[in-house]
Amino acid sequence: DVKVTQSSRYLVKRTGEKVFLECVQDMDHENMFWYRQDPGLGLRLIYFSYDVKMKEKGDIPEGYSVSREKKERFSLILESASTNQTSMYLCASNIQGMNTEAFFGQGTRLTVV
Amino acid sequence: LAKTTQPISMDSYEGQEVNITCSHNNIATNDYITWYQQFPSQGPRFIIQGYKTKVTNEVASLFIPADRKSSTLSLPRVSLSDTAVYYCLVGPFSGGYNKLIFGAGTRLAVHP
Repeated sequence: DVKVTQSSRYLVKRTGEKVFLECVQDMDHENMFWYRQDPGLGLRLIYFSYDVKMKEKGDIPEGYSVSREKKERFSLILESASTNQTSMYLCASNIQGMNTEAFFGQGTRLTVV
Repeated sequence: LAKTTQPISMDSYEGQEVNITCSHNNIATNDYITWYQQFPSQGPRFIIQGYKTKVTNEVASLFIPADRKSSTLSLPRVSLSDTAVYYCLVGPFSGGYNKLIFGAGTRLAVHP
């Protein structure tokens, strides 16, 4: 069974903390994505990566960075968490260059206090 | 990437057929139309994809008219478990890196 696994289901962090959200996929996919989801706004793309060490900004990259050191792992980093980054974060992966099925993790609900 | 427009919400009752239409006036020749379904507290899951005419699988049907400027996701005889948000995406099937851009989706509520 294909799987995208996010390291935490729920996280509570303090304002100003550096936060790492981890995502691992076992399908050998080239593409990996990070989204945030807020009520009424759907999924908004933060960053995506099409290969190891390669990344491109999505629609809302401000306040975030990413790391892809291994093909199976894609990390989202909040350099200095703020309360407006409280959200549901979703990771996804699919085959590069193909608009094929994307597989999503279960999501990480991050609360910044 | 072609912009898509969907209704924000829809209501239905168990046993009815539900049709959700997505407008994509600027669809390109090599674009495909893909629909995802998202249940509460879960990530979206792929349900169907098509290029033209009609595609059917065990979950839904996708109707695409000849001009491809819109598409309709059809869910036959919905049940309470079909309550979810449905997203329409339009983009090229192949040929390079693909950003998956989701809109706000259509929130479908199925009532007893």
